[in-house]
Amino acid sequence: RKEVEQDPGPFNVPEGATVAFNCTYSNSASQSFFWYRQDCRKEPKLLMSVYSSGNEDGRFTAQLNRASQYISLLIRDSKLSDSATYLCVVNKDSNYQLIWGAGTKLIIKP
Amino acid sequence: DAMVIQNPRYQVTQFGKPVTLSCSQTLNHNVMYWYQQKSSQAPKLLFHYYDKDFNNEADTPDNFQSRRPNTSFCFLDIRSPGLGDAAMYLCATTQPDRAHNEQFFGPGTRLTVL
Repeated sequence: RKEVEQDPGPFNVPEGATVAFNCTYSNSASQSFFWYRQDCRKEPKLLMSVYSSGNEDGRFTAQLNRASQYISLLIRDSKLSDSATYLCVVNKDSNYQLIWGAGTKLIIKP
Repeated sequence: DAMVIQNPRYQVTQFGKPVTLSCSQTLNHNVMYWYQQKSSQAPKLLFHYYDKDFNNEADTPDNFQSRRPNTSFCFLDIRSPGLGDAAMYLCATTQPDRAHNEQFFGPGTRLTVL
């Protein structure tokens, strides 16, 4: 089993729709969780950290389920500019060593 | 603006010809990382420095070496590049004493091996 698993997609979604991704992780001791966004041939950029209580930033909502060891990302009212690869990231042994998922590719269609 | 800078952005080398990629940061972060990323794959950590302490990942080939002469700069040396080393090389930094350790990335160096 991979340490961080994501559905690679692509998810093809019409503009304005709501889309959700899940990511599972294997290390039950992990404490830090992130979603990064990566545009084609660019570097990853932090989208949002994921807190235990769940958190929302505009159209984006992240949830953590420790019991089932997964995190989720919900995007509401999707925009064309949301097209990107979304990387799930979880800390390893220390809080500054991270394990990266391979990403879920999202394509928003007009 | 504080940032992570990588040079060059694109590097073409010949099979077996050594190449050095550079990274600099103005964030004054203690930790610097080198990742290798191939198409549709997760970034793969090669090594990281916590200050001057070097940490090599167990599966990083000996062909890859790194130097960090000071806080601001970090170099990735590929001693004898093979065709399989063609990839995007990403440098990142973090400050580990913060509650959530966001990693800040440079724009990457895309390496082509001929």
